[in-house]
Amino acid sequence: KNQVEQSPQSLIILEGKNCTLQCNYTVSPFSNLRWYKQDTGRGPVSLTIMTFSENTKSNGRYTATLDADTKQSSLHITASQLSDSASYICVVSEPDKLIFGTGTRLQVFP
Amino acid sequence: GAVVSQHPSWVICKSGTSVKIECRSLDFQATTMFWYRQFPKQSLMLMATSNEGSKATYEQGVEKDKFLINHASLTLSTLTVTSAHPEDSSFYICSASKGASNYGYTFGSGTRLTVV
Repeated sequence: KNQVEQSPQSLIILEGKNCTLQCNYTVSPFSNLRWYKQDTGRGPVSLTIMTFSENTKSNGRYTATLDADTKQSSLHITASQLSDSASYICVVSEPDKLIFGTGTRLQVFP
Repeated sequence: GAVVSQHPSWVICKSGTSVKIECRSLDFQATTMFWYRQFPKQSLMLMATSNEGSKATYEQGVEKDKFLINHASLTLSTLTVTSAHPEDSSFYICSASKGASNYGYTFGSGTRLTVV
């Protein structure tokens, strides 16, 4: 069964600190890997999209990495802000559907 | 670009009534739209996939007669929850794809349905 597993399930950090979220997947073959940010009560918003040939992709303070050999991805958040508090979802695309991770709930405290 | 609008953002309805949720692609033509359901602290669960002008494809366990999906144009898909019950209360999210590849999925802002 194709799966996308994320860790940690939840994370609490202080404002200004950096953090890294992990995503391991077994989906094969896959078209691309995406990281989304989902605020409570809102739809997911795309942060990064990477094909299997890309190793890293940045979007402001968010940097995603991908190792297609080990089937691992990470999302690094630099200089966290209170507004970064949200769920972060790793999504791996099969050719015709999306496989969602269970997400990491990040809370940033002042 | 690639904006998906979902309406309403929240709705409260009585048991037994029907509720319609709209999903519009504002600046692109969406050949395929997807409907998801999300329970608290859980990930999105795909309910159905709809292609413009054809019948929707429902995931296993999703009642097609209860969750009616219409994708009559390239910019609009609707989900109607018929004869709603309290257990249908959930967060419903749509997404739209630009073309044949699945590269460009964009999600709507979601609809919180509460059935009382």
